[in-house]
Amino acid sequence: DSGVTQTPKHLITATGQRVTLRCSPRSGDLSVYWYQQSLDQGLQFLIQYYNGEERAKGNILERFSAQQFPDLHSELNLSSLELGDSALYFCASSAGLATNEKLFFGSGTQLSVL
Amino acid sequence: GESVGLHLPTLSVQEGDNSIINCAYSNSASDYFIWYKQESGKGPQFIIDIRSNMDKRQGQRVTVLLNKTVKHLSLQIAATQPGDSAVYFCAEDYGYALNFGKGTSLLVTP
Repeated sequence: DSGVTQTPKHLITATGQRVTLRCSPRSGDLSVYWYQQSLDQGLQFLIQYYNGEERAKGNILERFSAQQFPDLHSELNLSSLELGDSALYFCASSAGLATNEKLFFGSGTQLSVL
Repeated sequence: GESVGLHLPTLSVQEGDNSIINCAYSNSASDYFIWYKQESGKGPQFIIDIRSNMDKRQGQRVTVLLNKTVKHLSLQIAATQPGDSAVYFCAEDYGYALNFGKGTSLLVTP
């Protein structure tokens, strides 16, 4: 168990809908990262938050947004969903701001857009 | 029709043999590298990491080798066990996040 908790584990929805994925980092970790894993793209970095503030953006679509709350949990919001958004979404956490340290991953949320 | 997907390189080894998984990285400025193991239905799990001031680092049954000259990373697993069957990812620090390779599927046969 990595200590990172993601909910829900599975999510099935329709095109055009909006969903929220939730992540609780390991106790004491201040950084939260979101990654998308799809069959054709592998693990793609989406966005990083550190202590409530956005710190880095990767290949995140404008239809996607995220935030980190004062209790350090994070949510990833996906809107106007398309079939191609079907993927496994992972949250990872680390202790500090530096990117050259190991990340601890949650078990992921499997999103299926029908 | 033709299916589209990520065709992972696959390494098949016999139980008890040593495994070597290779990875080419892209950013010559990367100073940190890490290997993850992902089992089916689970998130990536940390195996071992190495910083650019080292060429080799050993863990329990695993060794990572770093060749900065050719930007190559390898993961060696000694006495491979059935529980080692998984997808293995290398990742490099891009300065703003870890950038992951496509992965290699390791299959351990009895």
